[in-house]
Amino acid sequence: NAGVTQTPKFRVLKTGQSMTLLCAQDMNHEYMYWYRQDPGMGLRLIHYSVGEGTTAKGEVPDGYNVSRLKKQNFLLGLESAAPSQTSVYFCASSYVTGGVEETQYFGPGTRLLVL
Amino acid sequence: EDKVVQSPLSLVVHEGDTVTLNCSYEVTNFRSLLWYKQEKKAPTFLFMLTSSGIEKKSGRLSSILDKKELFSILNITATQTGDSAVYLCAALDGGSNYKLTFGKGTLLTVNP
Repeated sequence: NAGVTQTPKFRVLKTGQSMTLLCAQDMNHEYMYWYRQDPGMGLRLIHYSVGEGTTAKGEVPDGYNVSRLKKQNFLLGLESAAPSQTSVYFCASSYVTGGVEETQYFGPGTRLLVL
Repeated sequence: EDKVVQSPLSLVVHEGDTVTLNCSYEVTNFRSLLWYKQEKKAPTFLFMLTSSGIEKKSGRLSSILDKKELFSILNITATQTGDSAVYLCAALDGGSNYKLTFGKGTLLTVNP
């Protein structure tokens, strides 16, 4: 049981380049999330998904797109990277059951540097 | 807009000290309050608090939630250098989308 995994671990992009970050979970969780973490800003929600084929905007969605074609995968895309998108990106997943506590399990993070 | 505020932002103590970290929240459809510990990498889950006044304990760590006053505290007794980390508090929105809103964290440094 690998939990939540993220690919790649680290990437350097030039301004204007595009890339996709992959998040995979093997816990059969319905909900998945993408966060970015910047110094002094805490964790901020970019996009999330409450199930296969569904996505929704979080707090800071501009410049990012997501897709959830399969339940276990949640992709975060940057179409035209900007230096302001230099950050550490965390993926998380969670389960929800009525009356039972739920939490979010985090992946190890992807460090992205945009030059 | 949901908001979570943690205090202090940073704290330096000596091994053996007891610390209290604070978290206040404003969430429209509040469901739960979560605490995470973050060292070098991803946050790791500590506690989830849903009911008011019930203390949760794990070793030297404990936490409690006050839903009337909209805050939670995380206590660490007999601190060790391994407790040095950023402690994150997050409020879970129990509406249709179960979003977590995070505070900026408290950086705890425990010196030997």
